[in-house]
Amino acid sequence: SYELTQPLLVSVALGQTARITCGGKNIEYKNVHWYQQRPGQAPVLVIFRDSTRPSGIPERFSGSNSGNTATLTISRAQTGDEADYFCQVWDSTTAVVFGGGTKLTVL
Amino acid sequence: QVQLVQSGAEVKKPGASVKVSCKASGYTFTDYYIHWVRQAPGQGLEWMGWINPNHNRGDTINARKFQGRVTMTRDTAISTAYMELSSLRSDDTAVYYCARDRTRTTSTSLDSFDLWGQGTMVTVSS
Repeated sequence: SYELTQPLLVSVALGQTARITCGGKNIEYKNVHWYQQRPGQAPVLVIFRDSTRPSGIPERFSGSNSGNTATLTISRAQTGDEADYFCQVWDSTTAVVFGGGTKLTVL
Repeated sequence: QVQLVQSGAEVKKPGASVKVSCKASGYTFTDYYIHWVRQAPGQGLEWMGWINPNHNRGDTINARKFQGRVTMTRDTAISTAYMELSSLRSDDTAVYYCARDRTRTTSTSLDSFDLWGQGTMVTVSS
């Protein structure tokens, strides 16, 4: 079955750039989607199809996908960006796969 | 307002079943796939399956882990999807979410989940 690997924790200084990775075999050939989940709330889609932002998501959020790693980049990090972030792909054998999630801390 | 509103929290005993509802509003319910995703306390997201609410289909696909235990249905007259999980165990304790796929039901290439319900807490305890 297909697996996605995320770091458990990423820390970033206020105003700096955070990068959250999502590793998977040949992930570059899959569409990667990213969700933000604040404590006690439902997830929110922040990037779909590797790098597209839904309406209402700030330009500070961007995504890329190459080789075996997809990356969610958050520029000019704010305290409001503190949340769990999950990557997600579709796989032919296991259908929907989520990464384990990364907790972003803004220092 | 485009939204998915789920039913309230449930407490069930081991071996029982639970049925969670997800009412859509603000868009045409039959135009988009609905998924079910759960999240155990302090854990990540776990996909359970999807249903095509389209009038003429109502097809479902379930994750292998839940095959035989989960049933996904819909009532198009009231724009509501349902997820029933049977033979509940303590490790089924979780928040259960419904989520809309960006893909219309005229396509078979599913995508990402752009609209989520507020979640339904299901607690399984003796």
